[in-house]
Amino acid sequence: QVQLQESGPGLVKPSQTLSLTCTVSGGSISSGSYYWSWIRQPAGKGLEWIGRIYTSGSTNYNPSLKSPVTISVDTSKNQFSLRLSSVTAADTAVYYCATERGYSYGWFDYWGQGTLVTVSS
Amino acid sequence: EIVMTQSPATLSVSPGERATLSCRASQSVSSNLAWYQQKPGQAPRLLIYGASTRATGIPARFSGSGSGTEFTLTISSLQSEDFAVYYCQQYNNWPALTFGGGTKVEIK
Repeated sequence: QVQLQESGPGLVKPSQTLSLTCTVSGGSISSGSYYWSWIRQPAGKGLEWIGRIYTSGSTNYNPSLKSPVTISVDTSKNQFSLRLSSVTAADTAVYYCATERGYSYGWFDYWGQGTLVTVSS
Repeated sequence: EIVMTQSPATLSVSPGERATLSCRASQSVSSNLAWYQQKPGQAPRLLIYGASTRATGIPARFSGSGSGTEFTLTISSLQSEDFAVYYCQQYNNWPALTFGGGTKVEIK
């Protein structure tokens, strides 16, 4: 069974870059047809899909996001990463990594436990 | 962007009673809808996909129905562990995905 674990700084200053990594265990990130996503949730609010990557490196992003986003994959480390630039307080949230089973599946059956990132000076 | 609207925001139910949660899409999403359960401090857990297919290990008291723009999640007899927040999510216009705002099911 696939397991996911987020890691990264819990505090980021405004206008700086938020960087998180999701480590995949229980299988190779490049095997199968999984798509790898980032989702976030501000405190007391709902879920927002940020974007996804396939092991080929192809990406999709939520066009509604205000901050520039980059998702990358490192198959040698079995990890994928999120970079969110020029962050503001509105980017404060719990960030989850999650998987979709395949192309256009669309639902998330494995999730990480989440990591809280606070944007503050 | 497809907007997902869930109602009610909060549902007060007694243990053993039936709970009915609604999710409406701003345009048709066919049957491309999933439901998740989230407890405090935990990640969401997939309950239903394809509007009505239970995910692996999900008890039969959870059922999903609907298509197009109107969907329902029914919990036939609420157990103590079912009090949580529930989210719907559409994936009809994959690769784009959107979630509803959630319904909190609380103890009456």
